[in-house]
Amino acid sequence: KQEVTQIPAALSVPEGENLVLNCSFTDSAIYNLQWFRQDPGKGLTSLLLIQSSQREQTSGRLNASLDKSSGRSTLYIAASQPGDSATYLCAVRVSGTYKYIFGTGTRLKVLA
Amino acid sequence: GAVVSQHPSWVICKSGTSVKIECRSLDFQATTMFWYRQFPKQSLMLMATSNEGSKATYEQGVEKDKFLINHASLTLSTLTVTSAHPEDSSFYICSAYSGVQETQYFGPGTRLLVL
Repeated sequence: KQEVTQIPAALSVPEGENLVLNCSFTDSAIYNLQWFRQDPGKGLTSLLLIQSSQREQTSGRLNASLDKSSGRSTLYIAASQPGDSATYLCAVRVSGTYKYIFGTGTRLKVLA
Repeated sequence: GAVVSQHPSWVICKSGTSVKIECRSLDFQATTMFWYRQFPKQSLMLMATSNEGSKATYEQGVEKDKFLINHASLTLSTLTVTSAHPEDSSFYICSAYSGVQETQYFGPGTRLLVL
């Protein structure tokens, strides 16, 4: 059974810091991995999607990497801003299905 | 990008009543939709896979008689929480899979509060 874990569970940093969020999954048989942002009481915003054959994806200040064989992904946020404060979720799509299994989430707070 | 809507965005009901939540893909057809539940400060848990024209597939531990799913058309899936109780209070999020885009799109969620 696929399990997805995110570390740390919560993170508080001063504005301007570069930071790394970690995601690990137990079964390497994934189709892709996606990083989402969720603001309090809101739905999901897709940030980056990495196919299983890819190593990384970049969008603006965000960079996500994927090491499928070791079951790990990281989300790197450069020059963090207070507007980046949210919960970040990673999710893996199980191979052979359309299902996504979500991680436990990292609550990020960027202090002005 | 493709849009998925949910209605209502939030609902309060009395214990024992049933509540229906709609999930619509607005500009694409979705043969497969998914329903997730999220408790406060927790992650999303997949409840069931909704397939157009056939029965839903429920994840382990999810009561199919309590959470009725109907996917009668390629753009609409409904989740009915029957005889709702306070412990059913949660944030329910749906997603729809676009075969053309090969991407899953998520709805904005429905917050349910059962008194």
